[in-house]
Amino acid sequence: AQRVTQPEKLLSVFKGAPVELKCNYSYSGSPELFWYVQYSRQRLQLLLRHISRESIKGFTADLNKGETSFHLKKPFAQEEDSAMYYCALRTNAGKSTFGDGTTLTVKP
Amino acid sequence: EAGVVQSPRYKIIEKKQPVAFWCNPISGHNTLYWYLQNLGQGPELLIRYENEEAVDDSQLPKDRFSAERLKGVDSTLKIQPAELGDSAVYLCASSFAGDRDEQFFGPGTRLTVL
Repeated sequence: AQRVTQPEKLLSVFKGAPVELKCNYSYSGSPELFWYVQYSRQRLQLLLRHISRESIKGFTADLNKGETSFHLKKPFAQEEDSAMYYCALRTNAGKSTFGDGTTLTVKP
Repeated sequence: EAGVVQSPRYKIIEKKQPVAFWCNPISGHNTLYWYLQNLGQGPELLIRYENEEAVDDSQLPKDRFSAERLKGVDSTLKIQPAELGDSAVYLCASSFAGDRDEQFFGPGTRLTVL
């Protein structure tokens, strides 16, 4: 069965510092990986997906199949980046599995 | 556009009582998902519909949980009877083109079972 692990429950950085939210997965097939974000009092929403290879709000994530990781990075964190971040994997059969999330706090 | 609509937003019931949650997906979205989210954890899929067909209900505890999407639009998730451990947030999401498309989430229903 597939699994998504986000090793950090809480992550705190200062504004302007680089940030990396870790995500590791286990799946025997070829996965689709996603990052979802939930800002305070808002709905869970898609931030980015690995197949798009986009940079959204300054965030990027690279799928590393050798290390089975999909870490989310941003070179200069902003206070408005403070939120809960979930890494998710979708299998070939369409089943989605989410990690338990990382709460990012960006301090002024 | 309102996005995915869920009601009620909050529900408090006593154990052994029945409860139902309603979800109206974004117009035109064929795929509908129900997730369970326990405190401090990520969403866990309960059931996925393609139109009115439940294509994945492997994680739905069928002894007490049931769901329906009769006309392929809105959906209802029911628990009967509720147990203390069912206290959680129940999320509904929808997508346009099934598995390959972005999921849009509703605000969730927070259930408290006393």
